[in-house]
Amino acid sequence: DAGITQSPRHKVTETGTPVTLRCHQTENHRYMYWYRQDPGHGLRLIHYSYGVKDTDKGEVSDGYSVSRSKTEDFLLTLESATSSQTSVYFCAISGLQGGGEYFGAGTRLSVL
Amino acid sequence: GQQLNQSPQSMFIQEGEDVSMNCTSSSIFNTWLWYKQDPGEGPVLLIALYKAGELTSNGRLTAQFGITRKDSFLNISASIPSDVGIYFCAGQTNTGTASKLTFGTGTRLQVTL
Repeated sequence: DAGITQSPRHKVTETGTPVTLRCHQTENHRYMYWYRQDPGHGLRLIHYSYGVKDTDKGEVSDGYSVSRSKTEDFLLTLESATSSQTSVYFCAISGLQGGGEYFGAGTRLSVL
Repeated sequence: GQQLNQSPQSMFIQEGEDVSMNCTSSSIFNTWLWYKQDPGEGPVLLIALYKAGELTSNGRLTAQFGITRKDSFLNISASIPSDVGIYFCAGQTNTGTASKLTFGTGTRLQVTL
């Protein structure tokens, strides 16, 4: 793994509850990304960060927010989880704009 | 959202055979990337291509960046059982603040002895 830790690895929660997923990197990379992976849709970008406190929306950002207060940590928050947010969530990092992205091991989230 | 057309969706091959898969898009990309994903794990970067026409190898893997910048292919020579997994292509575009990846839907490879 490219120095990326996602936590938790598995979570089961109930509809309407808030959920926060954490991505921690030890590579000091500038760019960090959150994706979700669903059957038939592949990997889709939720939000990304291009520096501390600098974030922007991806393709499927509705219902999600992010924060990055330190270079090494990128948090993804589901303010009020819904069943449609049941998915596998991946964090990725990149040191260069235009360079390859390196992925964490993922968090499997089930919203009941 | 935009998706890449990746084919084939799945393939069964015998150990020792060569494998070929490709990815096409209606849009131009600056970079093409190929990833492999094993069950329960995140995608692992195999090859990155940065120039139109570029041909790059990584061991038994060879990939090419299409001249039109709208397609790429990946070849695996002399397949072995550990090649089993899902292979994803990804096209990368640069925005003003960062680069973004668009992924294909994957090719599931299964290797029989």
